[in-house]
Amino acid sequence: GEDVEQSLFLSVREGDSSVINCTYTDSSSTYLYWYKQEPGAGLQLLTYIFSNMDMKQDQRLTVLLNKKDKHLSLRIADTQTGDSAIYFCAERLDTGRRALTFGSGTRLQVQP
Amino acid sequence: DAGVTQSPTHLIKTRGQHVTLRCSPISGHKSVSWYQQVLGQGPQFIFQYYEKEERGRGNFPDRFSARQFPNYSSELNVNALLLGDSALYLCASSRRTSGAERVHEQFFGPGTRLTVL
Repeated sequence: GEDVEQSLFLSVREGDSSVINCTYTDSSSTYLYWYKQEPGAGLQLLTYIFSNMDMKQDQRLTVLLNKKDKHLSLRIADTQTGDSAIYFCAERLDTGRRALTFGSGTRLQVQP
Repeated sequence: DAGVTQSPTHLIKTRGQHVTLRCSPISGHKSVSWYQQVLGQGPQFIFQYYEKEERGRGNFPDRFSARQFPNYSSELNVNALLLGDSALYLCASSRRTSGAERVHEQFFGPGTRLTVL
């Protein structure tokens, strides 16, 4: 079945690295995504990883995928106050409807 | 280029009423999906439309319906509103094609905040 879980809250100091974790249950996931949502706004696609990859780096963002443990993480280097937001991981199955299944989100608070 | 646009931005309705939400996808995008995001939770998939046909439906009652127009814009309709329908309704578009190209990124609009009293 489809289920995506995330921890609810993470607090870091400005300049530190942030690591947001996510677990998913469906092994048929093809793409896994990270979205950012700021207060009162829609979802901004940050990055994604295809299920046959282990790692993807995009500027300050590093995505790690452990397919065996169904674990996905997002590392933000040199975290800034502007990174404060809710981060959602989502999985997309390659079956039929191709909808995204989202976790409940991790609120990242960056302290100056 | 304009992103996904949605209207209205905010809406207040009372129980039992119906509502229509609108979405215009990014130019060139043919697929539109609708999601419901209740406060404090992640978005939940409602519908996906491609080339005016429903291609997927989430676990929502028949009070929820949608359609897609020839210009690829879309409407989400909700009848007999309940208090629990209060949420942010998000529309996402993607450049899905029928060919071999695997296009998968979905781009979200700012959402319509629906409050049911």
